[in-house]
Amino acid sequence: GAVVSQHPSRVICKSGTSVKIECRSLDFQATTMFWYRQFPKQSLMLMATSNEGSKATYEQGVEKDKFLINHASLTLSTLTVTSAHPEDSSFYICSARIARGGSNQPQHFGDGTRLSIL
Amino acid sequence: GQQVMQIPQYQHVQEGEDFTTYCNSSTTLSNIQWYKQRPGGHPVFLIQLVKSGEVKKQKRLTFQFGEAKKNSSLHITATQTTDVGTYFCAGPPSSGTYKYIFGTGTRLKVLA
Repeated sequence: GAVVSQHPSRVICKSGTSVKIECRSLDFQATTMFWYRQFPKQSLMLMATSNEGSKATYEQGVEKDKFLINHASLTLSTLTVTSAHPEDSSFYICSARIARGGSNQPQHFGDGTRLSIL
Repeated sequence: GQQVMQIPQYQHVQEGEDFTTYCNSSTTLSNIQWYKQRPGGHPVFLIQLVKSGEVKKQKRLTFQFGEAKKNSSLHITATQTTDVGTYFCAGPPSSGTYKYIFGTGTRLKVLA
């Protein structure tokens, strides 16, 4: 159980393109999903917390207008990288936590999306 | 803001040797979680510790949570090549938020 599907797994596109990444919890409901960015051989940097039915909470230094997050249902959150540039190239990973229960819940991660902007 | 540091950054061991990674948070954590990320993969949840001084074991892996709930360790006994990967600790601040701050990670390489 607790499977998170992330799509697409790999994107290569030209500079200026907007890229949409989907994160779905397949067998559980997730009121909260998280979006991370990971550069090669580095840790996961939390970008934003996606809350179902409300605005996302962004971490300091993350541009809201650049990284648009939508969490329209209990099983789907999307991250759109708008007008992507080469410096946006990275590994983007989402995670979800099961809706029920307190803060002591593990995160279940998607397989990640490797974004390459030419 | 909160920082979570791990040492060492890298560790190469011979198969059969033991391995330990240490996790230190700048703030008190309500709980600590450990994840393993294989090369090219995504983090996979290993375990969660909640209580001060808690110790948990999973086969060859031993996890400890410090008394002050600001540090933790993961010890692997008799490493195997399947243990290769990066080990991250993560935890929410005591304020009770759901977001998690990940440690800097320790990359383990096991030489056969």
